[in-house]
Amino acid sequence: DAGVIQSPRHEVTEMGQEVTLRCKPISGHNSLFWYRQTMMRGLELLIYFNNNVPIDDSGMPEDRFSAKMPNASFSTLKIQPSEPRDSAVYFCASSSLRGREGEKLFFGSGTQLSVL
Amino acid sequence: GQSLEQPSEVTAVEGAIVQINCTYQTSGFYGLSWYQQHDGGAPTFLSYNALDGLEETGRFSSFLSRSDSYGYLLLQELQMKDSASYFCAVRDRGTYKYIFGTGTRLKVLA
Repeated sequence: DAGVIQSPRHEVTEMGQEVTLRCKPISGHNSLFWYRQTMMRGLELLIYFNNNVPIDDSGMPEDRFSAKMPNASFSTLKIQPSEPRDSAVYFCASSSLRGREGEKLFFGSGTQLSVL
Repeated sequence: GQSLEQPSEVTAVEGAIVQINCTYQTSGFYGLSWYQQHDGGAPTFLSYNALDGLEETGRFSSFLSRSDSYGYLLLQELQMKDSASYFCAVRDRGTYKYIFGTGTRLKVLA
């Protein structure tokens, strides 16, 4: 398996523009998590899905952020409009959440977002 | 809510043993996990404690005490490549949210 695949690896955009981050989880995993990482706030859970259904989005900072998972193999995180304070590394992770092996999260390489 | 606290930074020399602590406040969770993250990389899974006690995986060991709301990661025979950030994490039993600790940056000196 290729692991969790995220795109793009780097995104530089101007304030006010729409940004879309993409994630393909590991095949067979039924849970998907979006995290944001900054020096100040560490690894923050933004939203997670179970069987393509959003379970908890309490970590989404504001209405400018939205996430979708139209099928088991694809998810997007969208920021519209983007602001400089959104600059961070965004990680997607997946897990089977079944048994002991299910406690392990597999992370993608992340998207480094810079909003100018 | 949940919170997992870790020391921000630990420094040790090659060949030494270092312990990274994690104290937590959470109402209930499945187990305590540990992740390693090198600069510019993604977190990668190291170990998982479902039950109290010590789990050993090569040079790394992890410990959990639910009664003390405490766990630690023990790294033995430190190598330069162990320089990284280490995170503890739990999955909440009620919400299934997977929460990470504040992270500890380990510096291994020659």
